[in-house]
Amino acid sequence: EIVMTQSPATLSVSPGERATLSCRASQSVSSNLAWYQQKPGQAPRLLIYGASTRATGIPARFSGSGSGTEFTLTISSLQSEDFAVYYCQQYNNWPPSTFGQGTKVEIK
Amino acid sequence: QVQLQESGPGLVKPSQTLSLTCTVSGGSISSGGYYWSWIRQHPGKGLEWIGYIYYSGSTYYNPSLKSRVTISVDTSKNQFSLKLSSVTAADTAVYYCARDTIVGASDYWGQGTLVTVSS
Repeated sequence: EIVMTQSPATLSVSPGERATLSCRASQSVSSNLAWYQQKPGQAPRLLIYGASTRATGIPARFSGSGSGTEFTLTISSLQSEDFAVYYCQQYNNWPPSTFGQGTKVEIK
Repeated sequence: QVQLQESGPGLVKPSQTLSLTCTVSGGSISSGGYYWSWIRQHPGKGLEWIGYIYYSGSTYYNPSLKSRVTISVDTSKNQFSLKLSSVTAADTAVYYCARDTIVGASDYWGQGTLVTVSS
């Protein structure tokens, strides 16, 4: 099973600042990586798939990059609605897919 | 707009079978092109993929749960279901149903339903 490791566990950012979240895979997943946003009491929402393609309706301030084992989700200018938990998911060796443990983006 | 909605008991006794149904609207399971999955989230924890079913009935289960999981589909009702047998407190979680694209990312999710295992 591929293990996904996200860092940091918690990221404190001021509104309007840039946030950079990392995700590392225990072995190469090519570009078969997705990012999700989850707010309290809600289901995860797909943000990015294919490592860098925004899902339908996702604002341009969200961008993804990377391939192989190292990936990054960047939120260029944090808005109030962006404070949430973010998960990465690999689906290269799918099924099963595996998720990272999440990064919580909180208000600084 | 595709919508998914989980339904089923919120409380299950230890050793019994957890049963949930996901009703899909705004799209047809039988049209193909997507996998229909169950994913769970233990309280305050991360996400665990349980398994999927295709409209044809083919399934794949997470090896960690395979011995206890059954996923089935009823295309006439546009529903798919999850059964998890011999549950323990460790199966207490929010259970989500989701639509998986052909490459594996989940683009639509149900709102989730909390299932508590307790006597």
